[in-house]
Amino acid sequence: EPEVTQTPSHQVTQMGQEVILRCVPISNHLYFYWYRQILGQKVEFLVSFYNNEISEKSEIFDDQFSVERPDGSNFTLKIRSTKLEDSAMYFCASSELLQNTEAFFGQGTRLTVV
Amino acid sequence: AQTVTQSQPEMSVQEAETVTLSCTYDTSESDYYLFWYKQPPSRQMILVIRQEAYKQQNATENRFSVNFQKAAKSFSLKISDSQLGDAAMYFCAYQQAGTALIFGKGTTLSVSS
Repeated sequence: EPEVTQTPSHQVTQMGQEVILRCVPISNHLYFYWYRQILGQKVEFLVSFYNNEISEKSEIFDDQFSVERPDGSNFTLKIRSTKLEDSAMYFCASSELLQNTEAFFGQGTRLTVV
Repeated sequence: AQTVTQSQPEMSVQEAETVTLSCTYDTSESDYYLFWYKQPPSRQMILVIRQEAYKQQNATENRFSVNFQKAAKSFSLKISDSQLGDAAMYFCAYQQAGTALIFGKGTTLSVSS
């Protein structure tokens, strides 16, 4: 069964450092997303990506964040100059269509900023 | 802005019993979609069931069913014949046409034998 794959599963970084979270969406999917879940809190939308550009982003997704699809398979989230409050679980998801279709989620990357 | 509210932070049920998780949402749109996602301890988000707002019939997936009340903006999840494997965090989510999912804060369901 096709699945969304995220690496690494856990990343520890020092405050102020840059991190790149990686995702391999399902191959025939066209829409890609990043969500964030701070421990014990709700899942929050960060950004959606379609046709090699951002289609929607939330208020959380400020200049500190960027996304990229560097090749035909990977989808990355870069966080520049990480802060303690960036510590969270980051989920990548992909879907065939934008709406009324199952968004398949990866297993998440736990980011810990120390 | 659309919001999703899950008023039950925690629920518990015994094996084989039925439990209902509540969800309400706020929107002025008429065309939208609603979902329930399950997040087990592994933290992966798994789709349980979805409902199109234009459909009056409540969605059903095996032991999982919803009670969709459009006028009341209510979307509850009923789990019948609960199993130990149903223990997880359950998130209600709303999606307006053309936008990303908006999640509620979640309900932690525990199942006892």
